Amino acid sequence: NAGVTQTPKFQVLKTGQSMTLQCAQDMNHNSMYWYRQDPGMGLRLIYYSASEGTTDKGEVPNGYNVSRLNKREFSLRLESAAPSQTSVYFCASSELRGTGELFFGEGSRLTVL
Amino acid sequence: KQEVTQIPAALSVPEGENLVLNCSFTDSAIYNLQWFRQDPGKGLTSLLLIQSSQREQTSGRLNASLDKSSGRSTLYIAASQPGDSATYLCAVPQAGTALIFGKGTTLSVSS
Repeated sequence: NAGVTQTPKFQVLKTGQSMTLQCAQDMNHNSMYWYRQDPGMGLRLIYYSASEGTTDKGEVPNGYNVSRLNKREFSLRLESAAPSQTSVYFCASSELRGTGELFFGEGSRLTVL
Repeated sequence: KQEVTQIPAALSVPEGENLVLNCSFTDSAIYNLQWFRQDPGKGLTSLLLIQSSQREQTSGRLNASLDKSSGRSTLYIAASQPGDSATYLCAVPQAGTALIFGKGTTLSVSS
């Protein structure tokens, strides 16, 4: 089983460039999430989607946009990348928002120069 | 706002030792609590999910307990092995949104 798949795994951007991180899950889960992980800060929620067609801000949404394309796919877009967005980004999914077991992708390592 | 704290931040033990990792949370009105494992450069893998109605959950050499009233959970690892070396994170739901994570305990088991 693929579970949660993220692309790309690695990306280097220059300040001001834009990019989209893709995430897809094959578990028929309703809810999907984007987290970022930084040394000393732990995992912080960027955006989540409780169900297809809905998205909500998490703890650190500034500088990001998301799209829940369908039930399987949830993308994260950086419109104008900044060095402060250098991080490891994780996509996750669960059957139920906030209460179901959470499954993670392998992460996308982004460096903004 | 829910806050999750994990103590200690790092732990080194010799192989074969039994150990306990601690997790505390500020809002006891939780549906469940999850423990995860993260290997360096990898994603998070779910280890145990304890529902609010449960006191403990076991998987192999791992046992997780939950005391909602005191806002605490422990992860007990029996007979530790070098392959257990990883970062262990606990997480609880924040009402209406998603899981809130502790910063983790990094475990090193030496042979």
